Amino acid sequence: EVQLVQSGAEVKKPGESLKISCKGSGYSFTTYWIGWVRQKAGKGLEWMGIIYPGDSDTRYSPSFQGQVTISADKSTSTAYLQWSSLKASDTAMYYCVRGRSVAARTGGFDYWGQGTLVTVSS
Amino acid sequence: QSALTQPASVSGSPGQSITISCTGTSSDVGGYNYVSWYQQLPGKAPKLMIYDVSNRPSGVSNRFSGSKSGNTASLTISGLQADDEADYYCSSYTINSGVFGTGTKVTVL
Repeated sequence: EVQLVQSGAEVKKPGESLKISCKGSGYSFTTYWIGWVRQKAGKGLEWMGIIYPGDSDTRYSPSFQGQVTISADKSTSTAYLQWSSLKASDTAMYYCVRGRSVAARTGGFDYWGQGTLVTVSS
Repeated sequence: QSALTQPASVSGSPGQSITISCTGTSSDVGGYNYVSWYQQLPGKAPKLMIYDVSNRPSGVSNRFSGSKSGNTASLTISGLQADDEADYYCSSYTINSGVFGTGTKVTVL
């Protein structure tokens, strides 16, 4: 069974750094793109970025380029989303997602993690 | 890139059909046959309903169908049921990333 299990909720202060994780299981982690989606409370979905663990090819939405870093560790089948300096506006639910198509960025996202709630407040 | 444009809300009575539009540009919706649709129930993670414009994943009801014309994609829900009440989002592949739609709240009257 394919699963994406995300790390738990975080409460941070502005300016702090953070790295959240998403562990994939039940499939070949290196052959599917894995991405991150942001959803602020009561708002819509936002496409943040995506990584191909097989070769670490990473693509970012222009809105998130330079604001976050996406990485993946093949040895532990885990993807990461990190911030070097959080802002209050980063408060949101973050979902990791798996691309449906083998080795391709097409086909939508067929599996979603349970979400990680990040709260940034002084 | 800007979010794809969807109507904020669409409603219908049980048994009726409704259609949700998703308008983009030639750089996203119009340029590729890689539009997907997601259903999000309250408090839940989204669920893939349609991929590559008109394909249904295994287990998704055939009451859900997708199409595309030019820069606009559409999701049609036929035989509307109470448990179809949810938020729906479209999404498109772009050459360097991807983009979601603004979202549509579907209400079953």
